[in-house]
Amino acid sequence: AQTVTQSQPEMSVQEAETVTLSCTYDTSESDYYLFWYKQPPSRQMILVIRQEAYKQQNATENRFSVNFQKAAKSFSLKISDSQLGDAAMYFCAYRSKRPNAGNNRKLIWGLGTSLGVNP
Amino acid sequence: GAVVSQHPSRVICKSGTSVKIECRSLDFQATTMFWYRQFPKQSLMLMATSNEGSKATYEQGVEKDKFLINHASLTLSTLTVTSAHPEDSSFYICSARAPLNEQYFGPGTRLTVT
Repeated sequence: AQTVTQSQPEMSVQEAETVTLSCTYDTSESDYYLFWYKQPPSRQMILVIRQEAYKQQNATENRFSVNFQKAAKSFSLKISDSQLGDAAMYFCAYRSKRPNAGNNRKLIWGLGTSLGVNP
Repeated sequence: GAVVSQHPSRVICKSGTSVKIECRSLDFQATTMFWYRQFPKQSLMLMATSNEGSKATYEQGVEKDKFLINHASLTLSTLTVTSAHPEDSSFYICSARAPLNEQYFGPGTRLTVT
C-alpha cells in the first residue's frame, strides 16, 4: 500500500523568504500523481501544484515549485517570496494512475505541515 | 477553477437526530465524489467514495448504516449522519472528481451534536 510522509508538523518562515516543505512517499508503481494542497484557516482545500511521475520536469506555479526526486521518492514544495497569505496547513498527497486501482484511485494523504509566516 | 459547494456550512443538532449534508459540483459533472472527515489539526480521513447511480464504497471502520451516502445525479451527492451523537461532531468535507481527473473540494461542513 502507498504511504505519504510529511516529517515536519510545523514550520515557519519570514515574510519574503523562501521555505521548503518536505514530503516522501512509498509506492511500487511507476506512474502516479503527486499533489500539494493548501488548507488555510477557512479550511477550504486548495490545489497548489500537481506533478505526474512520468514527467521529469519539476512542476511550477508562480511562487510555488516542487523538487521531484522519483528515485528517492521525494516531493518537496518550495515557496518563494513567502507572503502572509501563505500561512496554512499544507498537505502532500499521492494518487495512483492504475485503471484498476482500488476505490477509484483515492488520494493518499500525508499528515500535513502547518506553515506560519512571520511579518 | 471548478467549484464545489456544500450545504450547510455549519449545523448544530441534538443527539439522536439525523443531519443531511449536500455536496454539489456547480460547473462540471462528477461521476465520483468523496466524503472526508477531518479532526482539528489533522489530515483528511476518507470515509467513502460514491459513484453516480451506484452504492458508495466505505472505508474500513466507517459504519455505512450511520453515514448514508447517496449520489443520485452527476452533480449532487449527499451524506446523512443518522442518529447523530456527540462523537460524530467533526468537520466534513466533500470532493468531486472532474472529467480530466482533477479533484475539487467543497468548503466543508462543521457538524456539532449536542
